[in-house]
Amino acid sequence: LAKTTQPISMDSYEGQEVNITCSHNNIATNDYITWYQQFPSQGPRFIIQGYKTKVTNEVASLFIPADRKSSTLSLPRVSLSDTAVYYCLVGSGGSSNTGKLIFGQGTTLQVKP
Amino acid sequence: KAGVTQTPRYLIKTRGQQVTLSCSPISGHRSVSWYQQTPGQGLQFLFEYFSETQRNKGNFPGRFSGRQFSNSRSEMNVSTLELGDSALYLCASSFEGLSYNEQFFGPGTRLTVL
Repeated sequence: LAKTTQPISMDSYEGQEVNITCSHNNIATNDYITWYQQFPSQGPRFIIQGYKTKVTNEVASLFIPADRKSSTLSLPRVSLSDTAVYYCLVGSGGSSNTGKLIFGQGTTLQVKP
Repeated sequence: KAGVTQTPRYLIKTRGQQVTLSCSPISGHRSVSWYQQTPGQGLQFLFEYFSETQRNKGNFPGRFSGRQFSNSRSEMNVSTLELGDSALYLCASSFEGLSYNEQFFGPGTRLTVL
């Protein structure tokens, strides 16, 4: 599984757009990019997933450049409740790659009023 | 559809004891994975069970074991508890258990070893 690198922490204010970039230089051809959100003392929660270009759902957008060596999670108009740790993961459906998720240190996002 | 449930939510044990944690996956999900989360090491993969078989295993000592039943419910056992086993233990379920599939996590069991 490809290793990911993301900022340890970020600060923002309510109403702002937040972009968290993740680096995954060794991403494999069949790897997907997935982001999870975790609140204190809770399990991680799936946010969004993509393979290439741009993916958007009701809570976030994911931008993936053509070389796929990085990705950016975009949270529009954050609120205090978006304060959490955000994890970027890459993984594929290779025969040896089953339910194992590799979590890095994640990015702690602090949203201020 | 009910989410992933874990019992108990909190547990206090002493060194040397053993503990069993339970995880009930989302109905229809065949894969259950277990993770340990500590402030120092973050989220670490323990093992995955799929259709009652251990399919993948992390780098934890043999004191950590698990099993899965025919209804996909899973249990995790830790024997001879050590202080360092204090952690939040999370389980996650998915239909096929592939890492690119969305994994649904439970609320976790907070284990404190005294």
